Amino acid sequence: DAGITQSPRYKITETGRQVTLMCHQTWSHSYMFWYRQDLGHGLRLIYYSAAADITDKGEVPDGYVVSRSKTENFPLTLESATRSQTSVYFCASSGPGTSVADTQYFGPGTRLTVL
Amino acid sequence: SQKIEQNSEALNIQEGKTATLTCNYTNYSPAYLQWYRQDPGRGPVFLLLIRENEKEKRKERLKVTFDTTLKQSLFHITASQPADSATYLCALDIKGNTPLVFGKGTRLSVIA
Repeated sequence: DAGITQSPRYKITETGRQVTLMCHQTWSHSYMFWYRQDLGHGLRLIYYSAAADITDKGEVPDGYVVSRSKTENFPLTLESATRSQTSVYFCASSGPGTSVADTQYFGPGTRLTVL
Repeated sequence: SQKIEQNSEALNIQEGKTATLTCNYTNYSPAYLQWYRQDPGRGPVFLLLIRENEKEKRKERLKVTFDTTLKQSLFHITASQPADSATYLCALDIKGNTPLVFGKGTRLSVIA
């Protein structure tokens, strides 16, 4: 089905481990985004990308790494997970235009628990 | 400092009444404002967009107003139903090639 998908949907890991969250969209949207959502904080932007090989930091980038080798994929890596990174992570893409502030379409989220 | 605030964390209303949610902002001059709905365990879903030169936008039972003088948007759901229960987020386009800025959301509960 067309749309935006995230995997895994649920992940439990331990402090210090590397974790990669995957995001895939089939709309060929230029922009893709990663957010974390925590109670009391709402959606906070981690990183975003305007196109393949172009990424920018958001509000809370520390501890995260992104890459975008293909337009449709935007993986988020926690290089050494910490308990404070326990959260729900949402990937989004925006379109149909080419503005970074176009309407966003969100994936179903990944619930990550770091023990 | 720049802020975007949604009136309350939670709002309870009786079925059939009109729900009114507020989004206030300071020190922004948005080109447009968007509203999203988020159900528990799911990602936000786009509902409506209103531009700075539009006073009002409607879609079925939804109505959005945008007052750039008051720096406020109101989101109305008329004849509310329990199925309207969700968290509603507003998001601003703050211009300058910057991503949307989201409010923290208001959790609406429609009681039968």
